[in-house]
Amino acid sequence: ETGVTQTPRHLVMGMTNKKSLKCEQHLGHNAMYWYKQSAKKPLELMFVYSLEERVENNSVPSRFSPECPNSSHLFLHLHTLQPEDSALYLCASSQEGSRSEQYFGPGTRLTVT
Amino acid sequence: AQKITQTQPGMFVQEKEAVTLDCTYDTSDPSYGLFWYKQPSSGEMIFLIYQGSYDQQNATEGRYSLNFQKARKSANLVISASQLGDSAMYFCAMRGINTGGFKTIFGAGTRLFVKA
Repeated sequence: ETGVTQTPRHLVMGMTNKKSLKCEQHLGHNAMYWYKQSAKKPLELMFVYSLEERVENNSVPSRFSPECPNSSHLFLHLHTLQPEDSALYLCASSQEGSRSEQYFGPGTRLTVT
Repeated sequence: AQKITQTQPGMFVQEKEAVTLDCTYDTSDPSYGLFWYKQPSSGEMIFLIYQGSYDQQNATEGRYSLNFQKARKSANLVISASQLGDSAMYFCAMRGINTGGFKTIFGAGTRLFVKA
């Protein structure tokens, strides 16, 4: 596989469920990101990992828990979510530095019922 | 504070014509990068073009060019010879050196419709 992959592509979960989103990059990048994209809102940065260390946490509720076991994999663990958490969750990777573009995965469309 | 503004929620263009998507930004970073991404209805964000704040020339990538005016803090995307496949959301984004080169700020996006 090439690029950035995300699984699952679609997820429906109840508010009491626990689920995880997975992201994998095959580009040799050293930074990975989680974004949330809701309808009619700009893309919101949630977490950034650089060399497996979290370097950015954008005031995200604790019901979202990221994990980066190595530079190629990124997880977003979900528990006791709210209906307003329904959104498209995008993973991205890049090299460090302000000149480096990000490569995005196809996203996970999450619906919380 | 960093901010990206895209003032055009939606734009229409005739196939084969050129279109300009506006983007203005605000930052106190001495060095920064500006990016444009395309998001088709499938959801995946696709990188289009990059402009560095100290680059002397405007960036070009195929049919995409960036009209960078640093004094005006604008980085408009120009798409030449529009194609039906260009119909998508377009996002302007910025990343500054003071945030370690990680935090990318995105605009609200412009939806482009290409008419046959």
